[in-house]
Formats: sequence, C-alpha cells, structure tokens
Amino acid sequence: AIQMTQSPSSLSASVGDRVTITCRASQGIRNDLGWYQQKPGKAPKLLIYAASSLQSGVPSRFSGSGSGTDFTLTVSSLQPEDFATYYCLQHYNYPWTFGQGTKVEIK
Amino acid sequence: QVQLVQSGAEVKKPGASVKISCEASGYTFTNYYMHWVRQAPGQGLDWMGIINPSGGNTNYAQKLQGRVTMTSDTSTSTVYMELSSLRSEDTAVYYCAREAGESPFDYWGQGTLVTVSS
Repeated sequence: AIQMTQSPSSLSASVGDRVTITCRASQGIRNDLGWYQQKPGKAPKLLIYAASSLQSGVPSRFSGSGSGTDFTLTVSSLQPEDFATYYCLQHYNYPWTFGQGTKVEIK
Repeated sequence: QVQLVQSGAEVKKPGASVKISCEASGYTFTNYYMHWVRQAPGQGLDWMGIINPSGGNTNYAQKLQGRVTMTSDTSTSTVYMELSSLRSEDTAVYYCAREAGESPFDYWGQGTLVTVSS
C-alpha cells in the first residue's frame, strides 16, 4: 500500500498567516491527490482535487501543488473558519490511503 | 442537490454485526462509485472499500477482507456496508462518500457512529 506522510502533524498559526502543509507519497502517484478539511463532528470537505484544482465553492486562498511524490496545500491568509484538521488522500491505486492529518490551531 | 443520508447510530456487542445504509439523492445513482471511510475516536481517516452501485463490483481494504460486505440497491439508490465479528477497535464513525472521477469524495454522508461495547 502507498504510504502518505503528512507534515506537520499540528501547527499553531494566527489569522492572516500563510500556512503550508505537505504530503509525501511512498511512490509516485501522478497527480491523483486530494486535500480535505474536517471540523470537529463534521464530515470532511473536499478542497483540492487532482493535486491543484480548486473544488467549486472553495475560497481561492486555498491552493495545491505538486506531482509525483511531493504535494503541498497552502492557505494564503488564514481565516478564523480555517482552523480545522486537514488530510491528503491518494487515489492512484487501491487501497486508497490518507495522510495522518494536520491540525491547524489558533496561536 | 446531491445528498447522502446515512442510517442512525448503533451500539453493538463484540462478535455481532452491523449494517449501515447510505441513501443517495440528487444525481444518477449508478453513475458514481461509492466508498466507505471510517474514523475511530480522535483518529484519522481510514479507507474501507468501494462499490460500483451499477454492477455491484467491490474492492475492500485487505485488513477488512472477510468481515466487510458492501452492497447496493438501485431501486432505492442505497448502498449498504455490513461489518461482522465486531471488536472494540471497530468503534468509529463510518462515512459513505461519492467518487466523482478525478475529484473523489466530493460528497459525504453525515456519518454513523458505531459503538462496540460489552
């Protein structure tokens, strides 16, 4: 199974900060990667698909980049509603695998 | 609008089985694969498997092979996930999630909490 190593596992940031989260795949996955945001008690929400495409309705402060094994999710200016846990997902082959998650907390 | 509505919370004893439903609406049910994902308390997301609602083909996570069964009913636009021989480690929130080509998991069910306790 492809392992997705996500870092950091948590971070503290302030409103307005630029935040970057990375995911590294244990083998190449082309651009078959999505990013999800999850708030407590809620289902995850798709932010980015195909590594860099913004899902409809998602604010443009979210962006994704990367291909192959290294991927990045960037929030250009963190807003109060962005404090949540973020996950990457590879869907290159089965079993699909998630990163361990990154909890973004208020500094 | 697309909606995935799951059945309610369950409490089961170790060794029992649980069957969760996920009713889809707002789109053509047979055109999209459906996945199941679970999340143990305080833990990350864990992919369980996929079903093609049209033909019923499935692909399960190896660690669940032999215990999980995913089925679909096209007459009611509902997919089901049954997990048998439950153990305490199966306590989790279970989600169904739709696959839409290169944007997987674009819609999710609200989640179903399954508690396994003696």
